[in-house]
Amino acid sequence: GAGVSQSPSNKVTEKGKDVELRCDPISGHTALYWYRQSLGQGLEFLIYFQGNSAPDKSGLPSDRFSAERTGGSVSTLTIQRTQQEDSAVYLCASSLTGVREYFGPGTRLTVL
Amino acid sequence: KNEVEQSPQNLTAQEGEFITINCSYSVGISALHWLQQHPGGGIVSLFMLSSGKKKHGRLIATINIQEKHSSLHITASHPRDSAVYICAVLKNSGGSNYKLTFGKGTLLTVNP
Repeated sequence: GAGVSQSPSNKVTEKGKDVELRCDPISGHTALYWYRQSLGQGLEFLIYFQGNSAPDKSGLPSDRFSAERTGGSVSTLTIQRTQQEDSAVYLCASSLTGVREYFGPGTRLTVL
Repeated sequence: KNEVEQSPQNLTAQEGEFITINCSYSVGISALHWLQQHPGGGIVSLFMLSSGKKKHGRLIATINIQEKHSSLHITASHPRDSAVYICAVLKNSGGSNYKLTFGKGTLLTVNP
């Protein structure tokens, strides 16, 4: 069956522009996570959705970051007024609650 | 101090050697993941375990909940095992909310 998919796979943008990153989780998975991996850095938790519950936003690095999950399925991570330090690979993962996560291939964001 | 500590940070081995990567954590967890990331590649979940030991092929993962410690072993290592291995702990952050916290990873290089 299909795994977690993310789009676009690569995004190059200019500083100050807004970007939207999309995640399609595995069908039926109730939990959805966004992480990012900056060059040479470890993985960083961003936000978590569990079904229709309010998301855990504690990991978002600034108020320029927001995310939504429509109908408990597809999620969009939006970064407003992008900065160079936002350049990273943004990873999405989905799971059934408390069970193994499946990672998407990531979106490589480059802010010039 | 990081909640998740891995050692060693870098490990170079000769093909055929037995390899051990260690992970210690400082918080109560629901489960622990071992993840693998090949250079330029996506993230794959190798194991998720909450007690005891799991084996898959040449990979073995163990966890000691009392000591807050886990190990990943690779038997008869091969150059294709060269990758970053990441330990991540799954914590319940309240209600049905879960969050993964990652170690910084261990870069394994297996030479032929």
